[in-house]
Amino acid sequence: DAGVTQSPTHLIKTRGQQVTLRCSPKSGHDTVSWYQQALGQGPQFIFQYYEEEERQRGNFPDRFSGHQFPNYSSELNVNALLLGDSALYLCASSRTASGANVLTFGAGSRLTVL
Amino acid sequence: AQSVTQPDIHITVSEGASLELRCNYSYGATPYLFWYVQSPGQGLQLLLKYFSGDTLVQGIKGFEAEFKRSQSSFNLRKPSVHWSDAAEYFCAVGYNTDKLIFGTGTRLQVFP
Repeated sequence: DAGVTQSPTHLIKTRGQQVTLRCSPKSGHDTVSWYQQALGQGPQFIFQYYEEEERQRGNFPDRFSGHQFPNYSSELNVNALLLGDSALYLCASSRTASGANVLTFGAGSRLTVL
Repeated sequence: AQSVTQPDIHITVSEGASLELRCNYSYGATPYLFWYVQSPGQGLQLLLKYFSGDTLVQGIKGFEAEFKRSQSSFNLRKPSVHWSDAAEYFCAVGYNTDKLIFGTGTRLQVFP
């Protein structure tokens, strides 16, 4: 049973560019959350998607946007990249009907902005 | 504001020694509490969680944690550390959502 899979694992962009990160949730999970983990920090919540809609959002600018597809997979888009966007981006999935939030995390996509 | 504090940035222990990693939280009500572990280049793996009931919870890999409401703490313990336990440990809290608030982590180094 595959867990949460993310792609790409590593990527390098330059300031001002746009990036798209992808996530496939664990089988049986219907909710996807995205977190940003800067070097030496704990993960910070970006947003959550359920039923193809953004359900919650953390304190991130509108440059960060997302999408969830009918198969529950998700994308994270970041526009107008800044140096400070360099981080490990973690996708986590869960099953909303389970009632209690137990997240399964992927290995992450490491973004470097030059 | 809701926050999680892990006061120890870096801890070094000898293999076979006991371990306690500290976690304190600031929250409006008793949240769900979690400990995750992250090995280099890996995502986060759930060690254990507390939702309600017995305040001493058992997790994987021989870890346990104790919730103390009066101290707003959820410290992680292991009686005998193995070299493979070297990793980054994160405490997290959440309230009925998937929006977890993480601490800044404690890096554990294990000497043979």
